[in-house]
Amino acid sequence: DIQMTQSPSSLSASIGDRVTITCRASQGISNYLAWFQQKPGKAPQSLIYAASSLQSGVPSQFSGSGSGTDFTLTISSLQPEDFATYYCQQYHSYPLTFGGGTKVEIK
Amino acid sequence: QLQLQESGPGLVKPSETLSLTCTVSGDSISSGSHYWDWIRQSPGKGLEWIGSVYYSGSTFDNPSLKSRVTISVDMSQNQLSLKLSSVTAADTAVYYCASRTHGGPLGYWGQGTQVTVSS
Repeated sequence: DIQMTQSPSSLSASIGDRVTITCRASQGISNYLAWFQQKPGKAPQSLIYAASSLQSGVPSQFSGSGSGTDFTLTISSLQPEDFATYYCQQYHSYPLTFGGGTKVEIK
Repeated sequence: QLQLQESGPGLVKPSETLSLTCTVSGDSISSGSHYWDWIRQSPGKGLEWIGSVYYSGSTFDNPSLKSRVTISVDMSQNQLSLKLSSVTAADTAVYYCASRTHGGPLGYWGQGTQVTVSS
């Protein structure tokens, strides 16, 4: 199985801050990497696919980068609605696997 | 717009079989345009992919569940189903169905359904 390791597991930030979350795969996955946002009591929502492609309707403050084993999700200017938990997920091979999540909280 | 809705018992007894259904609207499972997945989320284990089914009946499941999983499609009802046998408290989770295109990421998700394993 491909292990996905996210860091940090949580962070505190203020409105307007730039936030960076990293995700590392235990083996190369090319760009088969997605990022999801999840709010309490809701299903995960897709933000980014193919490591850097923004899903339709996702605000432009979100961006993704990376390839191979190391990936980054960046929120350029944190907005109130961005406080949530973020997950990376690889779809390079079965079984599909997720990172442990990063909870973004208000400072 | 593709929509998915999970349904099934919220409480299952230990050692019994968990059975859930996901009803799909906005596309026909028989179109072959999507793979259909089950994912679960528990506080202790985060998000865990359970398995996947294609309209042809081909399935892929997570070896971590030790062959307890059966996933199937009912094209007449435009539904997919999940059966998880010999459940324990560790199977308590929110269960989601989701879809993805071939080689693509999980796209559309259902709202999820809470399943508790308890006597």
